[in-house]
Amino acid sequence: AQSVTQLGSHVSVSEGALVLLRCNYSSSVPPYLFWYVQYPNQGLQLLLKYTSAATLVKGINGFEAEFKKSETSFHLTKPSAHMSDAAEYFCAVRDYGGATNKLIFGTGTLLAVQP
Amino acid sequence: DTEVTQTPKHLVMGMTNKKSLKCEQHMGHRAMYWYKQKAKKPPELMFVYSYEKLSINESVPSRFSPECPNSSLLNLHLHALQPEDSALYLCASSQDRLEDEQFFGPGTRLTVL
Repeated sequence: AQSVTQLGSHVSVSEGALVLLRCNYSSSVPPYLFWYVQYPNQGLQLLLKYTSAATLVKGINGFEAEFKKSETSFHLTKPSAHMSDAAEYFCAVRDYGGATNKLIFGTGTLLAVQP
Repeated sequence: DTEVTQTPKHLVMGMTNKKSLKCEQHMGHRAMYWYKQKAKKPPELMFVYSYEKLSINESVPSRFSPECPNSSLLNLHLHALQPEDSALYLCASSQDRLEDEQFFGPGTRLTVL
């Protein structure tokens, strides 16, 4: 079974600083990985996804993530944080089991951006 | 149109009420989902419809009853809910390939009194 672990339930950065949100996956097969963002009282919005086409994936709003098989990681980064980046971020992996439409979510990381 | 819409945005109901949540998409997606999300938690999958047939029921109590009238619509019928059912209910849709992302609606904030 597939799973994801997000290290750090809360991350705080200063405006303009590097954002690094960690995600490690567990999968016995090549994974399909996703990063979603959720602003307060809203649905989830896709930031980017890994589908094996390229290990460095660029997403919306200046975010990118690098797939590292040797480290089983898919960390999300942004060179310079903006106040509008404050939100909850979820890493997710596609479940390969019988229910192939399932997404397995991590526990989430709440990003705070300090002025 | 790359949007999933949900109505109502907010719903307050008593434990004896019957209400329904509605979800609609016009992206031609063949899979549709209901999730329940409690505060500061990830979404929990409730139901999946694939090609208008229920393919996953994650052991959800029978007081929640899903319905997929057609490929664009998804309903969640609510009856005799408990206060602990208060949550944000999210609908999502996707194509049915493994690499396809799910598109989420804005959710319905449900409060059960």
